[in-house]
Amino acid sequence: EAGVTQFPSHSVIEKGQTVTLRCDPISGHDNLYWYRRVMGKEIKFLLHFVKESKQDESGMPNNRFLAERTGGTYSTLKVQPAELEDSGVYFCASSQGGRGSNSPLHFGNGTRLTVT
Amino acid sequence: SQKIEQNSEALNIQEGKTATLTCNYTNYSPAYLQWYRQDPGRGPVFLLLIRENEKEKRKERLKVTFDTTLKQSLFHITASQPADSATYLCALPLSGGYNKLIFGAGTRLAVHP
Repeated sequence: EAGVTQFPSHSVIEKGQTVTLRCDPISGHDNLYWYRRVMGKEIKFLLHFVKESKQDESGMPNNRFLAERTGGTYSTLKVQPAELEDSGVYFCASSQGGRGSNSPLHFGNGTRLTVT
Repeated sequence: SQKIEQNSEALNIQEGKTATLTCNYTNYSPAYLQWYRQDPGRGPVFLLLIRENEKEKRKERLKVTFDTTLKQSLFHITASQPADSATYLCALPLSGGYNKLIFGAGTRLAVHP
């Protein structure tokens, strides 16, 4: 089976610009998560979708970040306008099971975002 | 707040030896704990999950222990190989269950031939 795929793998943008990251989860996985690692820090939770519904977006840094999962398949994470502190690696992960499931996460290889 | 600590220094061992990595946590009583492996430029890969009522879990050359009294998990790789060289991450669920995880910073393991 195909794994979690993320696009682009790298993105370099200027402060104030907009960037949209895409994640395609493993087919059939209802749960989709976004995590990120900023330089020198641990990987941190951003939000969780079950199908097309946002279950928990408590980790989103601020309202410059918008995540969507229309149709319950792929997801996008838009940063608008980007700031320097948004630089880091953004990981998407998916898992099987219902809302309360702790099935193992399958991670993509991440999008490395650099804001200059 | 919940905190996870993993050895920040790299662990260097000789091929064939057992590698032991430590994960300590505070201000928390997790229902389970997970270990992931991460290679440079790649996403974390799930290795093992151990629940609070399990003392030990094994998978091939991997063994994980979970001591809820000490608030500690140990991750062992026996008969280590150079291919085991990677960063190993410990992760615990934040409140709310499912896979809203808090990750440790990871310990880098280098296995030398």
